[in-house]
Amino acid sequence: NAGVTQTPKFQVLKTGQSMTLQCAQDMNHNSMYWYRQDPGMGLRLIYYSASEGTTDKGEVPNGYNVSRLNKREFSLRLESAAPSQTSVYFCASSERQNNQPQHFGDGTRLSIL
Amino acid sequence: AQSVTQLDSHVSVSEGTPVLLRCNYSSSYSPSLFWYVQHPNKGLQLLLKYTSAATLVKGINGFEAEFKKSETSFHLTKPSAHMSDAAEYFCVVSDPGTYKYIFGTGTRLKVLA
Repeated sequence: NAGVTQTPKFQVLKTGQSMTLQCAQDMNHNSMYWYRQDPGMGLRLIYYSASEGTTDKGEVPNGYNVSRLNKREFSLRLESAAPSQTSVYFCASSERQNNQPQHFGDGTRLSIL
Repeated sequence: AQSVTQLDSHVSVSEGTPVLLRCNYSSSYSPSLFWYVQHPNKGLQLLLKYTSAATLVKGINGFEAEFKKSETSFHLTKPSAHMSDAAEYFCVVSDPGTYKYIFGTGTRLKVLA
């Protein structure tokens, strides 16, 4: 019963490097989300995909790109990492109805030096 | 636009005493509201949800919340705190039509022995 799986769990990058964070869900959910969590700021939405084939910007999209590869997978890419992107990144999924809760992965802890 | 305000960033209680975590919301629609808990280095776990059925909602681990439309509040309570309740708690409101969820900035609960 995996739910939402994120890889990797930890990563250290140098400024300017690129990387892709992977997320997969096995609950047949239509909607998927990427958040970043910083101390005292709660979770801020980076990008989301309301359904397969669509993606939309959230609150803090600059410096990120996403791909909804299929219904199960939603990846987040940092093209040129910056120290300001040091954060904990969470992927979530939900049914495409707002009265349904989100299900979260365990997060990716990303440090950029 | 939807918004959520968690009124306390930190709450400390003694083990065995009641817990009250406060949340006010703003919504142009009949809202769906959620409380999540996050233990250290973990993802977010759903505690309970309100979706316009009963105004008193019971969740996991003895938590409950009451939806009060007149006060635009959705406070989280528990009659008797346990050491394992020490965590961060997030109040969330859904944004109908956009499939987005708006997070409060979190309340860190400390339970004293």
